[in-house]
Amino acid sequence: AQTVTQSQPEMSVQEAETVTLSCTYDTSENNYYLFWYKQPPSRQMILVIRQEAYKQQNATENRFSVNFQKAAKSFSLKISDSQLGDTAMYFCAFIYDRGADGLTFGKGTHLIIQP
Amino acid sequence: EPEVTQTPSHQVTQMGQEVILRCVPISNHLYFYWYRQILGQKVEFLVSFYNNEISEKSEIFDDQFSVERPDGSNFTLKIRSTKLEDSAMYFCASTREGRVIPGYTFGSGTRLTVV
Repeated sequence: AQTVTQSQPEMSVQEAETVTLSCTYDTSENNYYLFWYKQPPSRQMILVIRQEAYKQQNATENRFSVNFQKAAKSFSLKISDSQLGDTAMYFCAFIYDRGADGLTFGKGTHLIIQP
Repeated sequence: EPEVTQTPSHQVTQMGQEVILRCVPISNHLYFYWYRQILGQKVEFLVSFYNNEISEKSEIFDDQFSVERPDGSNFTLKIRSTKLEDSAMYFCASTREGRVIPGYTFGSGTRLTVV
């Protein structure tokens, strides 16, 4: 079974700084997808960014980008020019590219952006 | 943008009572999911549903749980006899296909409190 590990329970940075959240995963398969979800205090799950394992190019969405290292099974999230509204729990998640399997989530990183 | 709608947003129930959590997936989506998040913990997959039957389920999804698509639009999760440890946020999600492209959309969740 696949596992997702987020080794940073909490991080705190100043507004406008850049922060990187780490995620590693373990799988023996080749076709899968990786995600970062944001969960603000409202507890809604908001998709931040998605990466297909077959793509070598790192995904980017505005201030959010990933560093996907397939051989190392690493998938870190970089937030540039951090804003107060980025304060939230961030979950890394994994899913196989088949059928109706569910997402496997990491335990999350609580990111705090300080004014 | 289409949304997955969950009702109620918060439900309080007595231990041993039955509860039904409701979800309206995005209309052209075909795969439906339930996830659970106990407070302070990671999000966990419960069950996936396709073509009016369960596709996959986790070990959490025991005989106390059942899912149904009673009328072609709603997707429900029933807990037959609630326990204190069932207190959690329950998220519904849907996808158009059994793959993650174009997207895996979560509802805003139902907070279940068992007293």
